[in-house]
Amino acid sequence: DVKVTQSSRYLVKRTGEKVFLECVQDMDHENMFWYRQDPGLGLRLIYFSYDVKMKEKGDIPEGYSVSREKKERFSLILESASTNQTSMYLCASSVLAGGEQYFGPGTRLTVT
Amino acid sequence: GENVEQHPSTLSVQEGDSAVIKCTYSDSASNYFPWYKQELGKRPQLIIDIRSNVGEKKDQRIAVTLNKTAKHFSLHITETQPEDSAVYFCAAIMTTDSWGKFQFGAGTQVVVTP
Repeated sequence: DVKVTQSSRYLVKRTGEKVFLECVQDMDHENMFWYRQDPGLGLRLIYFSYDVKMKEKGDIPEGYSVSREKKERFSLILESASTNQTSMYLCASSVLAGGEQYFGPGTRLTVT
Repeated sequence: GENVEQHPSTLSVQEGDSAVIKCTYSDSASNYFPWYKQELGKRPQLIIDIRSNVGEKKDQRIAVTLNKTAKHFSLHITETQPEDSAVYFCAAIMTTDSWGKFQFGAGTQVVVTP
């Protein structure tokens, strides 16, 4: 049974803070993803990683960076949090890039 | 850039009726089309998927059809039940072995009334 966990369910940060969101999967998946989910906009890909230390920008990478030092862990970094980054952040992993994605429970981030 | 349009945004059906959700994509290179179900407060989960070399796929009460020429695909749920109430997302994905483009629709809120 695939398990994808995220470091926090809820997070409140102030504008300008550096924010780290962490995601861990336990199934040795090559591919990991970070999305943000906003009402009426669906899931939008921020970054995608297909191997350790490899990353690709998604549709909305501005204001974000990622780190994947180990296969099981994929971190999303908000360099200087802004109020428009208030959102639900979902991490996912998959065996194949074009295959089923297993999602984490999400982190609801509020930036004040 | 590429996007996926999903319709309708909300769908209310009587229990036992059928529900149909439609998605249109723009990138003809898309080769994988999954559908995810997200119940309230829970994470999205895959319910069915189809690849570009297949026109239709069925799994019990759910089915997906793909029209590559028209670049649209649809989710069909028959004999709807209250537990089918959720938000459904379609996606159009284009991948190679180590690269991909992932586009999700905005979601359809399905409400099944008893």
